[in-house]
Amino acid sequence: LAKTTQPISMDSYEGQEVNITCSHNNIATNDYITWYQQFPSQGPRFIIQGYKTKVTNEVASLFIPADRKSSTLSLPRVSLSDTAVYYCLGASAAGNKLTFGGGTRVLVKP
Amino acid sequence: DGGITQSPKYLFRKEGQNVTLSCEQNLNHDAMYWYRQDPGQGLRLIYYSQIVNDFQKGDIAEGYSVSREKKESFPLTVTSAQKNPTAFYLCASSTLPGQGQETQYFGPGTRLLVL
Repeated sequence: LAKTTQPISMDSYEGQEVNITCSHNNIATNDYITWYQQFPSQGPRFIIQGYKTKVTNEVASLFIPADRKSSTLSLPRVSLSDTAVYYCLGASAAGNKLTFGGGTRVLVKP
Repeated sequence: DGGITQSPKYLFRKEGQNVTLSCEQNLNHDAMYWYRQDPGQGLRLIYYSQIVNDFQKGDIAEGYSVSREKKESFPLTVTSAQKNPTAFYLCASSTLPGQGQETQYFGPGTRLLVL
């Protein structure tokens, strides 16, 4: 299962785009990259998942380069309610254990 | 929270007492998981189950026990052997790996405090 590394924290302002990069140097061929969002005292919530190139949904975009050793979550035009912890995970199609690191604490300021 | 319920929301444990945290899902998911989260930390896997009557230890299983008698239910018991049980406990479920792009759906969590 891919071990992931991401920044501990990031600050931003309302209306800006936030980009969080996650490193997963030993990602396996079958591993997908999944991002979750967690608010205080709540369970994590699925944001987006991808295997390669770019994936976009109504919440975020996920960019995965050809070598798949990193990925970048992009949150467009953040608001105060986007203040949360964001986790990058490697989810193997053959395995069943998600490894959660410390995540990235994003603080959106007015 | 996607069809997963956890109860109670808060739980108090006395020294030497076993307590059981409930987790129920109506998503028809085969796999279920228990995580522990300490303040300011990420999630750590305690136990997981892929099928009824079978479960595996995660990274921090000592002091905990689980059962999976029904597909919908995966209760976690925090035993007296767990010396530092104060934490936020999260239950999750997913389809079985290999069936697609599995994602885990989490419950609202139970906060356990020691008196």
